[in-house]
Parts: sequence; structure tokens; C-alpha cells
Amino acid sequence: EVQLVQSGAEVKKPGESLKISCKGSGYRFTTYWIGWVRQMPGKGLEWMGIIYPDDSDTRYSPPFQGQVTISADKSISTAYLQWSSLKASDTAMYYCATSGAPYGLDVWGQGTTVTVSS
Amino acid sequence: QSALTQPASVSGSPGQSITISCTGTSSDVGSYNLVSWYQQHPGKAPKLMIYEGSKRPSGVSNRFSGSKSGNTASLTISGLQAEDEANYYCCSYAGSRIFYVFGTGTKVTVL
Repeated sequence: EVQLVQSGAEVKKPGESLKISCKGSGYRFTTYWIGWVRQMPGKGLEWMGIIYPDDSDTRYSPPFQGQVTISADKSISTAYLQWSSLKASDTAMYYCATSGAPYGLDVWGQGTTVTVSS
Repeated sequence: QSALTQPASVSGSPGQSITISCTGTSSDVGSYNLVSWYQQHPGKAPKLMIYEGSKRPSGVSNRFSGSKSGNTASLTISGLQAEDEANYYCCSYAGSRIFYVFGTGTKVTVL
């Protein structure tokens, strides 16, 4: 069974750094893109960016370029989303999902809640 | 790249059919037959319902169907059921630079 398991909920202060993870199993990790999606409280889905774990080819949606870093470690079948300096406006649920791009986002992780508050 | 435009809400009675529209531009929906649709129940992760405009993943009910005309894609739910009450999002491939763009989302209410 194809599965993505994300790291647990995080509570951080503004200015702190954070790296959340998304571990794939049940498929060949290096052959599917992994995308990241933000959902702010009570709002819709927002496309953040995507990475191809085999060669770490990464693309960002313009609003998120320079705001986050997407990476992957194919040796442990894990993708990451990281911030160097969190803001209160980063408070949201973050989902990872596999993509047999460009056909859509097939399998989704359970989501990681990030709360940024002083 | 702006979000695709969806109606905020659509409602219907059990057994009826409803259609959700998703309007983009010639840079996304209009250029590719690569629109996907997602169902999201409150507190849950989204679920892929339609990909490549009209294809259903294994396990998705054939009551869900997708189509496209010009810059507008549509999702039709026939034989509406209580369990279909959820938020629905369209998503289009938008080229190799950014890959995807999501729609604004539509809340479906079963009356």
C-alpha cells in the first residue's frame, strides 16, 4: 500500500526555524514527484511546490519561492519542508502528496499542523 | 499565477445531480487536459476523485465525472448522497515551471 506519513504537530515562536517531514512507503520513492500543499485555518488548498527525489529537481509556486525550502533524502525515502524564520502567517496545515506529474496528486499524507505564536 | 475560480457553494437534494465549475486561463486549464479534482471532508486530507480531466482512480464512484470546455473544467456528481457533502477543489497543471494551481474551492451541501 502506498503511504505517506508526515511528522507530528509543531508549535513554534516567530523567528524560529522548522523542518517537517514526509516519509514514503509502499512504492519506489525515487520515481514519483512529491508536492507540498498549504491550508490555512478555514481556507482552501494552496500549491507550494514539488520535488523529484531522484535528482532533487525542485519547483516552487511564486508566492512560496524564497519563503520555504523543499528537499528530499532518497536514502530514507523522506521529503522535507523547511522554514528558516517562521512568521505567525505560517500557521497552517501542511500536506505532502505524491504526484505522477502532471496528472495530479494521488496519495496524500495525513497533514502536519504548524502553529506559530509568541 | 492566480487561483482557478470556483463557486463558493453548490447545493442539491439527495438523488439530484450537481455541477461544479472551475475557470482558469489559456495558461492552465485551457492549455492542458490535466485538471484533477479533490474531495475534502472536514478535518481530513484531500482525496483524488478525478485526474486527467475525466479519469477516475480505482475505488472512486462512477457518480463522479469530469469534463472540460475551453478554459473551464467541470465536476458533476450524479445521484447526490449525504456522504458527498464536502469541500471540492480543482487543480490544473500549469506548466513545468510551477506545475500546479488550485481552485478556490466549493462547499457542497446535501439538502
